[in-house]
Amino acid sequence: QKEVEQDPGPLSVPEGAIVSLNCTYSNSAFQYFMWYRQYSRKGPELLMYTYSSGNKEDGRFTAQVDKSSKYISLFIRDSQPSDSATYLCAMKETSGSRLTFGEGTQLTVNP
Amino acid sequence: GAVVSQHPSRVICKSGTSVKIECRSLDFQATTMFWYRQFPKQSLMLMATSNEGSKATYEQGVEKDKFLINHASLTLSTLTVTSAHPEDSSFYICSARARRARSYNEQFFGPGTRLTVL
Repeated sequence: QKEVEQDPGPLSVPEGAIVSLNCTYSNSAFQYFMWYRQYSRKGPELLMYTYSSGNKEDGRFTAQVDKSSKYISLFIRDSQPSDSATYLCAMKETSGSRLTFGEGTQLTVNP
Repeated sequence: GAVVSQHPSRVICKSGTSVKIECRSLDFQATTMFWYRQFPKQSLMLMATSNEGSKATYEQGVEKDKFLINHASLTLSTLTVTSAHPEDSSFYICSARARRARSYNEQFFGPGTRLTVL
């Protein structure tokens, strides 16, 4: 069983839609949760990070963590064609420096 | 700030040759650098972690004699793929962690290097 599970998609939505991206995990030692965006043939860039259960909002993006269910989500409001990319969740235990990534969800926002 | 570069961005080589990929932190000192490999439509798989001035720590299943990592300075790490074969064709991405990284292990990623072995 993979430590982190993420639906690879692809996910296609119309411009302006609300997008929900999700990851589940099995390692209860994960305490830090991150979302990265990766454009085609580019390196990932950090969108958001959280370390506690609940919601964290940054502009059109909201990250949600439910540690009791081992489930995290990223919501994108008013999605734009420029949001078209692969979104990767990543997690880390309290100690150490190793990040564990999900497979990534490929998102396309159609104008 | 926090820019990481990689060179080359793309390389095509013949089977059996060696290829060196450079990863540089341009505006900060990277005490730790990470090397990842990403196959098409798959996630990033950590290959090794290197700390400046010490030997790299390789993940299970990664051949240290095939993937040579050098982290000679606080701004430069290199990955050399020795005797490359077609199955080594992949997207190689480095990331760098600053001296004063946030607790969630803030890493800044390079743009990646596309390696194609013929």
